Amino acid sequence: DVKVTQSSRYLVKRTGEKVFLECVQDMDHENMFWYRQDPGLGLRLIYFSYDVKMKEKGDIPEGYSVSREKKERFSLILESASTNQTSMYLCASSARYGYTFGSGTRLTVV
Amino acid sequence: TQLLKQSPQFLSIQEGENLTVYCNSSSVFSSLQWYRQEPGEGPVLLVTVVTGGEVKKLKRLTFQFGDARKDSSLHITAAQPGDTGLYLCAGAKSGTSYGKLTFGQGTILTVHP
Repeated sequence: DVKVTQSSRYLVKRTGEKVFLECVQDMDHENMFWYRQDPGLGLRLIYFSYDVKMKEKGDIPEGYSVSREKKERFSLILESASTNQTSMYLCASSARYGYTFGSGTRLTVV
Repeated sequence: TQLLKQSPQFLSIQEGENLTVYCNSSSVFSSLQWYRQEPGEGPVLLVTVVTGGEVKKLKRLTFQFGDARKDSSLHITAAQPGDTGLYLCAGAKSGTSYGKLTFGQGTILTVHP
């Protein structure tokens, strides 16, 4: 069964901490994505990557960076966590049609 | 700017009722997808439609892509409590690279036994 695995289901971090969210896929997909999901706002694209070491900003990249050193792994980095980054973070990978999502990481910044 | 607008945002119905969720846009999409998300989980792909006018059926779920490829609908017949969840439509705009999708805000469906 194909999978996208996010390393943590729940995280609590303090304001100002550097936070790493990890995502691994086993489908050999070229494209990987990071979204955040907030009530009433839907899914908003933070960053995506279309190849190893290649990345592009999505709609809300401020305060985030990403790393893709290997094809199967796409990391989201919060450089200095703030309370307004409290959210559900979803990683996805895709072939031609359709995303496969991970189970999400619910991040709370206190 | 909301490129994909879903309606209604909330739907609360009794088991056995029928329902339709709409996904509308002023933009043309090369494909449109529907996902279902349960609490605490990531969205799961239900269907992809790519041809204007296309209709796809998945058991009690019927998906339609508008002729002009700007809108879509999801119809559920005889809803069951297991259908409860957040339904999301997502479109790939023509000319968009790398499989980027635009998501609607979602429809929260609750089916009461």
